[in-house]
Amino acid sequence: KQEVTQIPAALSVPEGENLVLNCSFTDSAIYNLQWFRQDPGKGLTSLLLIQSSQREQTSGRLNASLDKSSGRSTLYIAASQPGDSATYLCAVRPGVQGAQKLVFGQGTRLTINP
Amino acid sequence: EAGVAQSPRYKIIEKRQSVAFWCNPISGHATLYWYQQILGQGPKLLIQFQNNGVVDDSQLPKDRFSAERLKGVDSTLKIQPAKLEDSAVYLCASSSRIAKNIQYFGAGTRLSVL
Repeated sequence: KQEVTQIPAALSVPEGENLVLNCSFTDSAIYNLQWFRQDPGKGLTSLLLIQSSQREQTSGRLNASLDKSSGRSTLYIAASQPGDSATYLCAVRPGVQGAQKLVFGQGTRLTINP
Repeated sequence: EAGVAQSPRYKIIEKRQSVAFWCNPISGHATLYWYQQILGQGPKLLIQFQNNGVVDDSQLPKDRFSAERLKGVDSTLKIQPAKLEDSAVYLCASSSRIAKNIQYFGAGTRLSVL
């Protein structure tokens, strides 16, 4: 059974710092991995999707890496801003053929202090 | 393009009452998902539909939860009778093969069972 863990559960940093969020998963047989952002009272917004054959994806100040063999992914946020404050969720899509469900971690609640 | 619509946004009920949530996916998306997100946890898949057929309902508590997707478009999720532990945010998502099966989420319905 695939399990996804995110550390830390909460993180508070001053504005302008670069930071890294961690995600680990127990079964390396994945189809892809996604990072989502969730704002209070809102749904999930997809930030980056990494296919199992890829090592990283970049979008603006965000960079996500994937090491499938070790079951790890990191989300790097450069030059953090108060608007980056949100909960960040990592989710994997199992590699079982036809399986489209996502298995989520519990999230990291990020606070950027002005 | 309109996103995934969910209603109501909030619902407060007493235990043993029944409740229903509604979801309208993005137009043309054949796959629809219902997730349950308990406070402090990541979303957990309850049920996945492909058009109006059920693909995965392995984590749906079938003694009290039911879902349907008539005509392969809108969907309703019902809880009867509700328990205290059902307090959570219920998220609906949809995806399409043309859009590479990326799941787009609605804002969710926050349920409080007293």
